[in-house]
Amino acid sequence: QKQLVQSGPEVKKPGTSVKVSCKASGFTFSTSAVQWVRQARGERLEWIGWIVVGGGNTNYAEKFQERVTITRDMSTGTAYMELSSLTPEDTAVYYCAADFMIGGGKLDPWGQGTLVTVSS
Amino acid sequence: DIVMTQSPLSLPVSPGEPASISCRSSQSLLQSNGYNYLDWYLKKPGQPPQLLIYLGSNRASGVPDRFSGSGSGTDFTLKISRVEAEDVGVYYCMQASQTLTFGGGTKVEIK
Repeated sequence: QKQLVQSGPEVKKPGTSVKVSCKASGFTFSTSAVQWVRQARGERLEWIGWIVVGGGNTNYAEKFQERVTITRDMSTGTAYMELSSLTPEDTAVYYCAADFMIGGGKLDPWGQGTLVTVSS
Repeated sequence: DIVMTQSPLSLPVSPGEPASISCRSSQSLLQSNGYNYLDWYLKKPGQPPQLLIYLGSNRASGVPDRFSGSGSGTDFTLKISRVEAEDVGVYYCMQASQTLTFGGGTKVEIK
């Protein structure tokens, strides 16, 4: 079945970077897009950005524009989200989700989530 | 960005009773192709969100038919015809008409 498996939890110092991976299986990776969303404790879900896997084009939320990079490796079926200049406010669970409507919603499946903790 | 507003914040429901959640968007989600780009997701504790409804009213694969979505433009509703214990969690609407934004969530709990 379609599945996304994310990398494990991370603990980072303020000012450093984190790179979260999202490995796809059970579907043709190149025909999808991958959306990245995060949720801090007690907050609503927040969109970070996305990548259209086939063409590699990306789009980022304005809030993260200066410090996020989303990439993909088609040979391994893996997408990556790197966030730099971390602050404690970046502590959250980060999710990837498959988007077969290429920007039209219908996000399914989702990765299991990766907890990123930023603390000195 | 399109702002999504859900109500109520919390919804206690007795098993077997119906439930209804409202979602309003600050701009119309109806595109020229006739589709409303509005999804509904359920998030259970410790789990990722799971897709329930897409394009306003289409049930995702495997979703029980007690879940239904309706609405158009800026006003949308998710209905559960008979709530079961497994339906507890936080329900989110999400618009995909522009860059994705989510509602604040509605927590459904069993009375």
